[in-house]
Amino acid sequence: DAGVIQSPRHEVTEMGQEVTLRCKPISGHDYLFWYRQTMMRGLELLIYFNNNVPIDDSGMPEDRFSAKMPNASFSTLKIQPSEPRDSAVYFCASSYRGTQYFGPGTRLLVL
Amino acid sequence: GESVGLHLPTLSVQEGDNSIINCAYSNSASDYFIWYKQESGKGPQFIIDIRSNMDKRQGQRVTVLLNKTVKHLSLQIAATQPGDSAVYFCAENTDAGNMLTFGGGTRLMVKP
Repeated sequence: DAGVIQSPRHEVTEMGQEVTLRCKPISGHDYLFWYRQTMMRGLELLIYFNNNVPIDDSGMPEDRFSAKMPNASFSTLKIQPSEPRDSAVYFCASSYRGTQYFGPGTRLLVL
Repeated sequence: GESVGLHLPTLSVQEGDNSIINCAYSNSASDYFIWYKQESGKGPQFIIDIRSNMDKRQGQRVTVLLNKTVKHLSLQIAATQPGDSAVYFCAENTDAGNMLTFGGGTRLMVKP
């Protein structure tokens, strides 16, 4: 298995632009998680899905952030409009029976 | 000005020595624990896990010890190598689902 796949790996954008991060979980995993990691706040859970249904989005910073999982093999995290404080590394992870496996992350820089 | 960020505890060891990384977890009801390794520029990587019905579990060069009485988890790395340099996170499963609560991390630095 290729593991969790994320794209793009790096994204540089200007404040106000829309950013879409993509994730393909490991086949057969029924949970998908989106995290954000910064030096200031460490690893933060933003939202997670079970069988494509959002279960807990209490970690989503504000309405500018949205996430979808249209099917078992694809999820997106969208930021609109983006702000410099959104600069971070965004990780997607998937799991089956508890063990989460992380993707390589998307490093986002908002100028 | 100087940026302020998370202060990660740092463990510095000599190559070839054994390393012990400690973690205090928060929920006595947690029943599943995982250690992750995160190298610079990469995502956290699963190392080893343990369930609450066990006290010890061994992998290749790594051992995880669980003390439920004091809610303490440790990761032991034998014969530490430069490639072991990374930030190590413990995580606990606190509900029936798959959500994990992560510790703040410990930076391991291996001196050649």
